[in-house]
Amino acid sequence: EADIYQTPRYLVIGTGKKITLECSQTMGHDKMYWYQQDPGMELHLIHYSYGVNSTEKGDLSSESTVSRIRTEHFPLTLESARPSHTSQYLCASSDRGLGFVNEQFFGPGTRLTVL
Amino acid sequence: GQNIDQPTEMTATEGAIVQINCTYQTSGFNGLFWYQQHAGEAPTFLSYNVLDGLEEKGRFSSFLSRSKGYSYLLLKELQMKDSASYLCAVRYNTDKLIFGTGTRLQVFP
Repeated sequence: EADIYQTPRYLVIGTGKKITLECSQTMGHDKMYWYQQDPGMELHLIHYSYGVNSTEKGDLSSESTVSRIRTEHFPLTLESARPSHTSQYLCASSDRGLGFVNEQFFGPGTRLTVL
Repeated sequence: GQNIDQPTEMTATEGAIVQINCTYQTSGFNGLFWYQQHAGEAPTFLSYNVLDGLEEKGRFSSFLSRSKGYSYLLLKELQMKDSASYLCAVRYNTDKLIFGTGTRLQVFP
């Protein structure tokens, strides 16, 4: 069973607020990812990290930022939320080992609504 | 460019067999994954193919043809709890995934 957690699960917030979505995993995985998913649409990679102090932007441009100060923690921040940021945000992690499947394990997601 | 196609919706009856197809065009192919996602929940890993052929895992099997850019997920002895979205995802370069839009499967009694 995957041990990856996201808080909050649901967030409704007004325009202009700063928000941080939390993601933590207890599997010791080096790699972590943030995806954005709109209803009925595919997951889009917005950020990823290969380890502490390593962060990269994903394939979908996002105004959010991320940090990776500890292996287990990969928070995502929006400095000024807008209605266009309304979406579901999924965090995932995977192991680094070569020659293995290294599937990504997903957290339960945060459903963000910006009014 | 990177592209994955799969049917949007499928329906089947309990106890039946259903095949969900996925075609892809990607560079740097490094494996194909199938995930199951129930409404409002996280995707969960079902299967992985990196070489051509069939991988069987209980009621679920997945097939890959790299030359054709084609995969399918086969679900046997369908149960009501199998109603979910099934996501095809291709890993490219080292470990980045590109996902299809998912196939929403509804199983009827």
